Amino acid sequence: GAGVSQSPSNKVTEKGKDVELRCDPISGHTALYWYRQRLGQGLEFLIYFQGNSAPDKSGLPSDRFSAERTGESVSTLTIQRTQQEDSAVYLCASSPNWGVDTIYFGEGSWLTVV
Amino acid sequence: QQQVKQSPQSLIVQKGGISIINCAYENTAFDYFPWYQQFPGKGPALLIAIRPDVSEKKEGRFTISFNKSAKQFSLHIMDSQPGDSATYFCAASHAGNNRKLIWGLGTSLAVNP
Repeated sequence: GAGVSQSPSNKVTEKGKDVELRCDPISGHTALYWYRQRLGQGLEFLIYFQGNSAPDKSGLPSDRFSAERTGESVSTLTIQRTQQEDSAVYLCASSPNWGVDTIYFGEGSWLTVV
Repeated sequence: QQQVKQSPQSLIVQKGGISIINCAYENTAFDYFPWYQQFPGKGPALLIAIRPDVSEKKEGRFTISFNKSAKQFSLHIMDSQPGDSATYFCAASHAGNNRKLIWGLGTSLAVNP
């Protein structure tokens, strides 16, 4: 597709379950970001992948959160033992090259933990 | 510590009016200042961006004003329309942090018909 694709678009899960969120960046984009956005709030940086360099994990809120990226393609954000405070929209974004400032967002995965 | 401070948190403007959103920053290393627009249920999208070598950039009804000495930049929306109703985020980046964008907290703009 032409844009950043995220799945699922909506996920309802029970507290304590693990969830996986998927991001397909724009083809050829080497940088990939995950953000969390709670309802009506700003963008909370989670993790940043750039090419083959070590990812910047400085925004991950706890060890329940992890993310992987295979090369310059798909990324998966995993949340283990979900808590109600994890309920939010998880946004993925990508950019063409290292150091290119403009980033392109997907439409997000809305996670509800009940 | 909020590196990019955005104000106001919310704004209501009449159709045809001027919407002004302000951002201030501390880190003088920042050299790229974009504004993103987010509609409900959508991801943010780049609206307009500026670098500190110019004091103003205009694209259609949208203008960024940049004041390097004051470490402030602002978004002006001229002739505001109901379709401009959205959340606006300012951000900043520099090469020293791998171009990772530092975000303001957002401004919810409502333009009344």
